[in-house]
Amino acid sequence: EAAVTQSPRNKVAVTGGKVTLSCNQTNNHNNMYWYRQDTGHGLRLIHYSYGAGSTEKGDIPDGYKASRPSQENFSLILELATPSQTSVYFCASGNWGGSYEQYFGPGTRLTVL
Amino acid sequence: AQSVTQPDARVTVSEGASLQLRCKYSSSGTPYLFWYVQYPRQGLQLLLKYYSGDPVVQGVNGFEAEFSKSNSSFHLRKASVHWSDSAVYFCVLSPLSGSFNKLTFGAGTRLAVCP
Repeated sequence: EAAVTQSPRNKVAVTGGKVTLSCNQTNNHNNMYWYRQDTGHGLRLIHYSYGAGSTEKGDIPDGYKASRPSQENFSLILELATPSQTSVYFCASGNWGGSYEQYFGPGTRLTVL
Repeated sequence: AQSVTQPDARVTVSEGASLQLRCKYSSSGTPYLFWYVQYPRQGLQLLLKYYSGDPVVQGVNGFEAEFSKSNSSFHLRKASVHWSDSAVYFCVLSPLSGSFNKLTFGAGTRLAVCP
């Protein structure tokens, strides 16, 4: 059974609109992450969280907010969506230390018109 | 600063042929290194990982990778590829220092296996 799920899987939004991408994990991991994937780039980190109530900026946070209301849930919020935010977004979870690997969701394809 | 370079954006091989996907990394210390695979319309799945010990590590589905500190490389290999191996492969690095396991991704290599 999938341990990291994302919703919606596909989303079309209009410029200036608000978009919320949701992520749920059943791994009981402390850390959660939001990435975007664009052609020619690997995944780039937008925001991450150490646990419920915490959010931190990643490498490309501009234009995005994040919310971690619980251990299981982590949301990415685009308050004013722009066409440059058209991308595929991945959520992941992981734990402190250990083998440092992360577990990824299936992705959300966002198109901003 | 750390970085990962995958010099080949696309690799095409025939089914049954051997495979090597190249990865070079830059890190101030000894990092954790990973190879992830992304099948069409799916998330990333871990193939294998390396931290220390035997420089050749085995992964799933017959994949292996060899770590070389002198060459700062972590190349992925497979003796005989199958059409189902067609996917995008990412070399990924995680530093061991610091308080957060932030991953650095290469740009990925798209593998096409021809029948």
